[in-house]
Order: sequence, then structure tokens, then C-alpha cells
Amino acid sequence: GAGVSQSPSNKVTEKGKDVELRCDPISGHTALYWYRQSLGQGLEFLIYFQGNSAPDKSGLPSDRFSAERTGGSVSTLTIQRTQQEDSAVYLCASSRAGHPETQYFGPGTRLLVL
Amino acid sequence: QQQVKQSPQSLIVQKGGISIINCAYENTAFDYFPWYQQFPGKGPALLIAIRPDVSEKKEGRFTISFNKSAKQFSLHIMDSQPGDSATYFCAASLRNAGNMLTFGGGTRLMVKP
Repeated sequence: GAGVSQSPSNKVTEKGKDVELRCDPISGHTALYWYRQSLGQGLEFLIYFQGNSAPDKSGLPSDRFSAERTGGSVSTLTIQRTQQEDSAVYLCASSRAGHPETQYFGPGTRLLVL
Repeated sequence: QQQVKQSPQSLIVQKGGISIINCAYENTAFDYFPWYQQFPGKGPALLIAIRPDVSEKKEGRFTISFNKSAKQFSLHIMDSQPGDSATYFCAASLRNAGNMLTFGGGTRLMVKP
């Protein structure tokens, strides 16, 4: 079946603008994760959704970052008032019930803030 | 606090040689240790993983060695091939804390033909 998909694949924005990044997890996967990959910080966890439970937001770097997951499927990561340090690759991963530790990653969205 | 430390940052190996990447972790509660392979422009892909109740796991040319007392684990790639040239990340997670992955800093592997 199809893997995790993310859109857009690339996004260039100006400092101060808001951006929305989308993730479509593998069908039937109950858990969804957002990670950020940057040169300075490596790969870091941002936020985690599991079913209908409240998300774990412990990795979000600031209150400019938020995410939602509608209908237990698609997720949107929103960055408000983007800063140059937000430039990174934003990766989404999903996993299925029964094997929650095995995460499948999408190709990522490359965000460049000018 | 860097909970998973990975070395080396880069590695050059001749075709047919053995590639070895090492990781050390701090949180003894971690209960799952995967290795991911990432090619340029792609997302990380799960390569092999181990739980702390075993000391070694082998899948084809890839082997994880795990030393619980030393809080270390390593990836061995036997008979390394140019197609193995990629960035490798070790990671660790804890089931009771949501399974979010804590990654090492990555190792860029180049296998020379």
C-alpha cells in the first residue's frame, strides 16, 4: 500500500509568514509523529498523536508551533510567524497498533524561511 | 541533554569491507533501539531494530550488537556495497512514553567501489 505522504515537498516563505505542512499517514495507522531535521539540531521529536487521546506536545520548540489531526488520519503542522531558524526538513511518521514502536517516515517537507 | 550519542560522524569504507557505527545511550528505561537509513532527499527508513533482552540481531548483511551493561549498541554492515552509502541514524524509544524516537546525530557512510 501507499506509504506516508507529505505536502508540499518544498516550501519557501518569508520571515513572519505562517505556513501549514500536511501529513497523510499510512491507512489504518493509529499513531502519528512529527519530527524536525536540521543541520544544527539533528533529528528531533516535535509532537505525537495516538488515536483520540490528547497529543503529546512536549517537543514543540515554541508556542508558534501547533498541530492537529482530524478524524484520526490527516495531520497539519502549523508554524506561525516563521523565523529563519525554523528552516529545516519536517518529517512525519506513523505506526500501527500492535507495533507502535515501528515508525514509517514520509519524505518530508523542506522549509526555507528567507 | 543529548540522550543518544553516535559515532563516528562520517565513515569511509572500501567495497567489501565492514562498516561499524556505534551509539551510546543514557536513559536505561529505553526499550527499543532501531537503526534508520536515510538517502539524500528521502525520509529515514527502518533498517533493523533490537530490544534490550537480546545481545545481537542479524538480518542479512546488517547486525546489531547490544551491550546493556555498557548502555551501548552498534551497527555492523558486512560486505559493504556502494549502494549502502547513506546516512545512518541510531535511535531509542520507550513504549510507556509514547514511543517517540530519540535519535543519535547520524553517521554519513561512503562505500568506495
